[in-house]
Amino acid sequence: DSGVTQTPKHLITATGQRVTLRCSPRSGDLSVYWYQQSLDQGLQFLIQYYNGEERAKGNILERFSAQQFPDLHSELNLSSLELGDSALYFCASSGGGFYNEQFFGPGTRLTVL
Amino acid sequence: GQNIDQPTEMTATEGAIVQINCTYQTSGFNGLFWYQQHAGEAPTFLSYNVLDGLEEKGRFSSFLSRSKGYSYLLLKELQMKDSASYLCAVKDQAGTALIFGKGTTLSVSS
Repeated sequence: DSGVTQTPKHLITATGQRVTLRCSPRSGDLSVYWYQQSLDQGLQFLIQYYNGEERAKGNILERFSAQQFPDLHSELNLSSLELGDSALYFCASSGGGFYNEQFFGPGTRLTVL
Repeated sequence: GQNIDQPTEMTATEGAIVQINCTYQTSGFNGLFWYQQHAGEAPTFLSYNVLDGLEEKGRFSSFLSRSKGYSYLLLKELQMKDSASYLCAVKDQAGTALIFGKGTTLSVSS
């Protein structure tokens, strides 16, 4: 158990819909990262927040947005969903590891039908 | 651009030694990580290299050559539970996000 929690574990929805994925980082970690993992693309970095502020952006679509709240939990919002958005979405946090390594949550499996 | 290459698949037998190679070309470098990921589960941290050389951690070792843009993960005394995907990841210039390779799926047979 990494200490990072994500909800929900599974999400099935239809094209055009909007969903929100939630992540709580490890206690004391200020950085939260979101990654998308699909079979053909591997783990792709989407966005990072540090103590409530956006720190870095990766290959995040304009239909996707995220935020980090004062209690440090983060939400990833995915809208106008397409079939190709079906993937595993991981949240990771860092700050307390010896190598500042990232600790990953169990992921949310999103299926868009 | 950013590019990290690893073999797609490898097979080995229990008790053997296997070396998983990773080559990278990135705009910056602030360290290289190896993660293990079992199917459908979260990646878990294995090792970190930022200076050239070998880092040993029990049955797992990782090597880095920054001048060659090359790393390897060495797994000794393989066990069935080592069957997993092994992900090479580079911390980029900003020192924040991890850029991941597509992973090497290792299958260990008895």
